[in-house]
Amino acid sequence: QVQLQESGPGLVKPSETLSLTCTVSGYSISSGYFWGWIRQPPGKGLEWIASMYHSGSTYYDLSLKSRVTISVDTSKNQFSLKLNSVTAADTAVYYCARKKSAYYHFDYWGQGTLVTVSS
Amino acid sequence: QSVLTQPPSVSAAPGQKVTISCSGSSSNIGNNYVSWYQQLPGIAPKLLIYENAKRPSGIPDRFSGSKSGTSATLGITGLQTGDEADYYCATWDSSLSGSVFGTGTTVTVL
Repeated sequence: QVQLQESGPGLVKPSETLSLTCTVSGYSISSGYFWGWIRQPPGKGLEWIASMYHSGSTYYDLSLKSRVTISVDTSKNQFSLKLNSVTAADTAVYYCARKKSAYYHFDYWGQGTLVTVSS
Repeated sequence: QSVLTQPPSVSAAPGQKVTISCSGSSSNIGNNYVSWYQQLPGIAPKLLIYENAKRPSGIPDRFSGSKSGTSATLGITGLQTGDEADYYCATWDSSLSGSVFGTGTTVTVL
């Protein structure tokens, strides 16, 4: 059974960098599929952030592209998200998920982790 | 602002049917597969429908999906109290080169 688990600080100060890691079990990242991040601000809808293939192809939401980096560590079977220069608007539950391909659906999701941006 | 538009809410009595629409354009729904996700309160989204109309293993056939042109529809028959949740459509947008989610619809069982 494929499982994803997000981890990282729950509180980040404004202007600093938000860093999250998603640990995958039950499937080897290097075997294929795309891996992505989605967020959900409190009381609002889902927002796609970025997706990448294990070998490097990446896609970013255009409104966040200048601040976001997604990367994969196949040796640890993990992938990560970095979002810099955060503001209160970046406060959200962040989910990691697996994607059949860039154009297809997200089939497995992590439980999500709340990140609050506040001083 | 999402490029996929859904009604904010729909409701029906137990046992009845509801449909949720998802309206897009030729750059997204019109030329790409649509998926649907169910998000129960406080829980991560779960894949409900993929490739417009397919159901993952374990999803009851009370849930159905369809697509026509630049719109997609999720149907739920035999409505149950456990179906009270938020539902989101999603697809790939070829112009944006990215995934897009719908605005979300809250289903209420009266």
